[in-house]
Amino acid sequence: AQKITQTQPGMFVQEKEAVTLDCTYDTSDPSYGLFWYKQPSSGEMIFLIYQGSYDQQNATEGRYSLNFQKARKSANLVISASQLGDSAMYFCAMREMPSGSRLTFGEGTQLTVNP
Amino acid sequence: DTGVSQDPRHKITKRGQNVTFRCDPISEHNRLYWYRQTLGQGPEFLTYFQNEAQLEKSRLLSDRFSAERPKGSFSTLEIQRTEQGDSAMYLCASRLASGDKETQYFGPGTRLLVL
Repeated sequence: AQKITQTQPGMFVQEKEAVTLDCTYDTSDPSYGLFWYKQPSSGEMIFLIYQGSYDQQNATEGRYSLNFQKARKSANLVISASQLGDSAMYFCAMREMPSGSRLTFGEGTQLTVNP
Repeated sequence: DTGVSQDPRHKITKRGQNVTFRCDPISEHNRLYWYRQTLGQGPEFLTYFQNEAQLEKSRLLSDRFSAERPKGSFSTLEIQRTEQGDSAMYLCASRLASGDKETQYFGPGTRLLVL
């Protein structure tokens, strides 16, 4: 079974608008961490935002926020005021304690920001 | 503040040849990870080190693959007798063992093409 599911292979958004990228996860571990990374065409994985399973508030980092719904096991990334430079592949990832500290990634969502 | 670096950035080799990749982590980071990413997929965990000790290896890491981190600083990943299926992006990441958020920071990757 997929541990991280990203159901949107591709998303399009107009510049300056907000966009939500979906991520659902599957774990029985009470302690876990959720991450979002951005991967431009150059290939480097750029860390965006982190949410711990025990965090009471949704994480925010500048224009990025994470809509964490623990009961639904979802951790959607919200990008506000999209910029052309936001066009990239976005990956959701999870760290579980029993797996050590490895990250398990979803298949990604390709975001295109249109001018 | 230098990030994770990887060398080479690109490698083209013929089937059957051996290749070696190098990763230099962020200087104070004691954990180092290797991932493999094939086209259109998210990264998959290969192995990780804490200091010089290799603590976990994925089943993806066949006998042809070996990783070392001899002095707890840089790491090398060697693939012997390369096969066309080894063509992928090889990503290295590092983090502090007990750092805030336990975030892994990635290098630019090494793109391997096996002809």
